[in-house]
Parts: sequence; C-alpha cells; structure tokens
Amino acid sequence: EVKLVESGGGLVQPGGSLRLSCAASGFTFSFYPMTWVRQAPGKGLEWVATVKQEGSERYYVESVKGRFTISRDNARDSLYLQMSSLRAEDTAVYYCARAFRSAYSPDFDSWGQGTLVTVSS
Amino acid sequence: QSALTQPRSVSGSPGQSVTISCTGTSSDVGTYDYVSWFQQLPGKAPKFMIYDVNKRPSGVPDRFSGSKSGNTASLTISGLQAEDEAVYYCCSHAGSYTFAFGGGTQLTVL
Repeated sequence: EVKLVESGGGLVQPGGSLRLSCAASGFTFSFYPMTWVRQAPGKGLEWVATVKQEGSERYYVESVKGRFTISRDNARDSLYLQMSSLRAEDTAVYYCARAFRSAYSPDFDSWGQGTLVTVSS
Repeated sequence: QSALTQPRSVSGSPGQSVTISCTGTSSDVGTYDYVSWFQQLPGKAPKFMIYDVNKRPSGVPDRFSGSKSGNTASLTISGLQAEDEAVYYCCSHAGSYTFAFGGGTQLTVL
C-alpha cells in the first residue's frame, strides 16, 4: 500500500523558517516525481513545487521561488520542503503527492494527510 | 500560473448527471492534454479521479468521465450518488513543468 506521511508543520513567525518532511512507503520512491501542494484554510488547492526522480530538476510556483526549496533523499524514501522568509499567505495545509508517470503531467495519484503550517506573530 | 476557472457550485438529484467546467487559456488547458480532476471530501486529502483529460485510474467508477474542448475541460458525473457530494478540482499542466489548479467546485446532491 502506498503511504505518504507529512510532518514538520507548526506555528512560525513571519520571516521564519520551517522544514517539512514526507516519509514514503509501499513503493519504489526513487522511481517517481514528487510534488508539494498546499491548501490555505477554506481555500482551494495550489501547486507549490515538483522534483524529478533524481532530484536535480526542481520546479516552483512563482510565489515561492527563492524562498522554498524542494528536495528528496531517495536512500531515505523522503521528500522535503525547506521554507524560509515565511509570510502570512503561506499559511496552509501542505500535502505531498506522488506523480505516477512524469513530472510533466498532474497525475498525482497518492497524497499524504497533510501538515498544517501557520505563519503568525 | 493563473488559476483555472471553475463554477463555485453545481447541484443535481440522485441519478441525474452533472457537468463541471474548468476554463483555462491557450497557455494551459488549450495546449496540453494533461488535465486531471480530483475529488476532495471535507477534512480529507484530494483523491485522483481523472487524468490526461479523460482517463480513469483503476478503481474510479465509470460514472466519472472527462472531456476537453478548446480552453475548457469538463468533468461529467452520471448517475449521481449521495457519496459524490464533494469539492472537485481540475488541474492542468501550465508550461515549463508548472501546474495550475482550478478554484474548486462544490457538488451538492439534492
């Protein structure tokens, strides 16, 4: 069974940093592109970042470029999102998701339960 | 990476069909046949329902179907059931390995 478990969320002050993790199991993690999607309270889904299988190619939504870094450790079956210079508008539930074919298509077939990040003073 | 446009809400009675539209531009939906749909129940993670405009992952009932015309993709749910009540999101490739989601449509089964 494919399982994705996010952790690392919490309350952080504006301008602060946080690192999210996503532990994967039940599949060969290194075979799949991985993605972070967020959802602000009461709002819709927003794609945040995607990393290809080998980890060297990464893509971001414009609003987080230069502030967030997506990475992965295939030896540990783990995905990460390093977030810095956090703003109130980054407050959201952050989901990690697997893309079952390529980094080019939004075929996010498995999702974690999400971790809440709250940016507030 | 502008958001795709979906109606805020649609509704239908059990057994009826409903269609949810997802309007983008020539930079996303109009150019790429990489449109997916997701179903989200309250307090839950999204569920993968349709990919490549009209393909269903295994386990998704054939009551769910997708299509596209020009800059607009659509999700049709036939034979509505109470359990279909949820928020539905479309998502499209938007160039250069980026993605755009729609704002979400609340489906109410009357």
